[in-house]
Amino acid sequence: GDSVTQMEGPVTLSEEACLTINCTYTATGYPSLFWYVQYPGEGLQLLLKATKADDKGSNKGFEATYRKETTSFHLEKGSVQVSDSAVYFCALSTNKGAQKLVFGQGTRLTINP
Amino acid sequence: ETGVTQTPRHLVMGMTNKKSLKCEQHLGHNAMYWYKQSAKKPLELMFVYNFKEQTENNSVPSRFSPECPNSSHLFLHLHTLQPEDSALYLCASSQDPGAYTEAFFGQGTRLTVV
Repeated sequence: GDSVTQMEGPVTLSEEACLTINCTYTATGYPSLFWYVQYPGEGLQLLLKATKADDKGSNKGFEATYRKETTSFHLEKGSVQVSDSAVYFCALSTNKGAQKLVFGQGTRLTINP
Repeated sequence: ETGVTQTPRHLVMGMTNKKSLKCEQHLGHNAMYWYKQSAKKPLELMFVYNFKEQTENNSVPSRFSPECPNSSHLFLHLHTLQPEDSALYLCASSQDPGAYTEAFFGQGTRLTVV
């Protein structure tokens, strides 16, 4: 079945460091890919998305590129802030009669000042 | 009000209690979902409703009973739960079940079964 695999956390970085959170997927067909973020005590919020190969999603300084050849959608940010501390979820969406999101296990990110 | 609203935010219930979780979306979406988020596990899709009809039940035990009276409201009725059912229950909605649109999530109900 469809699945998403993220790098295990937790990840701890200093402010202004570079961030990469790896995400790979397995899916039949051509899924859409998403990164969601969950701040403490909150639900999930969409961070960015890409709907076809080579698309790049970007938001709030974060970027991810849909790589069909490597089935990857790695999340990157050049300079992280303390406010980026959260749990990040990679997800894919397939349309098999009804839209369904499949999530990775989440990566907890902590940014220290 | 905007987005997806879940009530209550926190719930503590005994194993013999009956309670219900409520979700309401003000986005005009046609699909609604229940997810379970347990510690150290991926989000688990529980149920999917499209245009008020249940289209997916992901092998969820019968002690969880969903209800979708209209496209804007979704309930999760709980009875005779087990301690391992303690988790964050997230409701989500999306615009069109046939399109690759993102889901919008509520803040969740933190459930503790004692």
